[in-house]
Amino acid sequence: AQSVTQLGSHVSVSEGALVLLRCNYSSSVPPYLFWYVQYPNQGLQLLLKYTSAATLVKGINGFEAEFKKSETSFHLTKPSAHMSDAAEYFCAVSGGGGGNKLTFGTGTQLKVEL
Amino acid sequence: KAGVTQTPRYLIKTRGQQVTLSCSPISGHRSVSWYQQTPGQGLQFLFEYFSETQRNKGNFPGRFSGRQFSNSRSEMNVSTLELGDSALYLCASSSTTGTVTDTQYFGPGTRLTVL
Repeated sequence: AQSVTQLGSHVSVSEGALVLLRCNYSSSVPPYLFWYVQYPNQGLQLLLKYTSAATLVKGINGFEAEFKKSETSFHLTKPSAHMSDAAEYFCAVSGGGGGNKLTFGTGTQLKVEL
Repeated sequence: KAGVTQTPRYLIKTRGQQVTLSCSPISGHRSVSWYQQTPGQGLQFLFEYFSETQRNKGNFPGRFSGRQFSNSRSEMNVSTLELGDSALYLCASSSTTGTVTDTQYFGPGTRLTVL
């Protein structure tokens, strides 16, 4: 079975500081990994995805993530946090049981302080 | 292209009732998935439909069902509602192939409250 684990349900950073949100995966097959963001009272928006083409994946709004097989990790980073980045972030892995079912982590709430 | 739309956005029901939620995917998308989001259980996969066929199903009781029409629009139904069914129900659609690498595009969700 495939799964992802997000360490830290709440992360707080200062505006302008580095954002690091952690995600580790467990998969018996090459994983396809995604990061989504959810703003209050909204659906999920894709930030970026890894589908084995390149280990460093750049996404929207200045976010990027690096796939590290040796560490089974896919951490999300942004060099400089902005107030508008405050939201909940979800790591997900695709597949398992056929189709393109997403299995999500428990989410990380990002708070950006002045 | 218009995004994924879900109707209604908000719904209040009482225990024992049934409810039907609707999802219109992005034009041209043939795969539609449904997810339940609750504070306690997080985001959980309900089921996926591709070309009118259920291709995958999550671990939910039979009270939860769905279907997909020939125009790819999908509905999900919950019968005999329980308090624990209160949740945000999210629909997502993906491209014509519906494979594991496809991006799923989410709608804004339907907030169901069961009293």
